[in-house]
Amino acid sequence: EPEVTQTPSHQVTQMGQEVILRCVPISNHLYFYWYRQILGQKVEFLVSFYNNEISEKSEIFDDQFSVERPDGSNFTLKIRSTKLEDSAMYFCASKTSGGTEAFFGQGTRLTVV
Amino acid sequence: KQEVTQIPAALSVPEGENLVLNCSFTDSAIYNLQWFRQDPGKGLTSLLLIQSSQREQTSGRLNASLDKSSGRSTLYIAASQPGDSATYLCAALGGLTGGGNKLTFGTGTQLKVEL
Repeated sequence: EPEVTQTPSHQVTQMGQEVILRCVPISNHLYFYWYRQILGQKVEFLVSFYNNEISEKSEIFDDQFSVERPDGSNFTLKIRSTKLEDSAMYFCASKTSGGTEAFFGQGTRLTVV
Repeated sequence: KQEVTQIPAALSVPEGENLVLNCSFTDSAIYNLQWFRQDPGKGLTSLLLIQSSQREQTSGRLNASLDKSSGRSTLYIAASQPGDSATYLCAALGGLTGGGNKLTFGTGTQLKVEL
């Protein structure tokens, strides 16, 4: 069964460093998403991406964040200069253009020290 | 904007009991309502998805209902087992008031099923 895969599963980085979280969406999906969940809090929407551009972003998704689809299979989230408060589980999701169900990856746990 | 609330925040029941988890949303113009399970420190496992035109969905011991007009969904778990212990999240897709094409999650209900 097709699935969304995320790498790495856990990343530890020093404050101020850049990180790139990687996702491989399901191959025929056209909508891509990033969500995050700070420990003990709600899952929050960060950004959606369609047709090679951002279609919607939340107030959390400031200039420190960027997304890219560098090739036909990967979808990445970059945080330019990490802060302690960026520590969270980051989830990637994808769906077809006509579908309403989003499929989630297993997440990347980012720890900023 | 869309807001999703789950009650109760935590629930502890003895094994074998039937239980109901509640989810409410403020904007009824949703495309669907999805229930997830999350084990501690782990990812999201999709349990059931109810399209806006549907009233309920069933999978094994799980049954989810949707009442769009009142902005409510329930997840019914029959004959609970210790393995059901987890956090259950509901999420609404869409909504006129800024819901867009994204999921809005509730804070979850932490379920513990005791032997």
